[in-house]
Amino acid sequence: AQSVTQLGSHVSVSEGALVLLRCNYSSSVPPYLFWYVQYPNQGLQLLLKYTSAATLVKGINGFEAEFKKSETSFHLTKPSAHMSDAAEYFCAVSYFGNEKLTFGTGTRLTIIP
Amino acid sequence: ETGVTQTPRHLVMGMTNKKSLKCEQHLGHNAMYWYKQSAKKPLELMFVYNFKEQTENNSVPSRFSPECPNSSHLFLHLHTLQPEDSALYLCASSQESGALGNQPQHFGDGTRLSIL
Repeated sequence: AQSVTQLGSHVSVSEGALVLLRCNYSSSVPPYLFWYVQYPNQGLQLLLKYTSAATLVKGINGFEAEFKKSETSFHLTKPSAHMSDAAEYFCAVSYFGNEKLTFGTGTRLTIIP
Repeated sequence: ETGVTQTPRHLVMGMTNKKSLKCEQHLGHNAMYWYKQSAKKPLELMFVYNFKEQTENNSVPSRFSPECPNSSHLFLHLHTLQPEDSALYLCASSQESGALGNQPQHFGDGTRLSIL
């Protein structure tokens, strides 16, 4: 069975500060990992994905994530937070041969002016 | 880009009503999904269709009835729902289900359902 754990249901950062959203996965097979963002009253939008190529993955809106097998982590970062980054962020895992995504419970990011 | 379109965006219905949610994708994908998103709970996968065939029913109550007439359209028929069914229902599509596993899913904006 596969699962993801997102540490911190709410994260607040000041505008211009580093954004760090944590995701740890559990999978018995090599995982594929995804970060999605959900803005109010909208669906989920793909930020980035890891599919066993480069371990440092760059996504949209200046976000990136690094796959660390030794730590079973796939944390999402952005060097400088912007007000428009306020949203809910979801980490998800799948694996070869199965597009079924298992989602974490989400982290709500608040940006402080 | 409105690759996946869901209608209606909002729906209020009584427990005895019958209504349907519609999802349409313009991405040329072959797999479509229904999810339920409730407050403070992870997204719950409800149904998966791959090339119009249902490949997964995640123990969803029979008051939810999906229909996939072709790879571009997906419906969720609702009848005699319960108050706990109030949630955001999201539709998604991907290139194919059960193939590589690394194809991302593209989501619609959801239907906010409220059961009175």
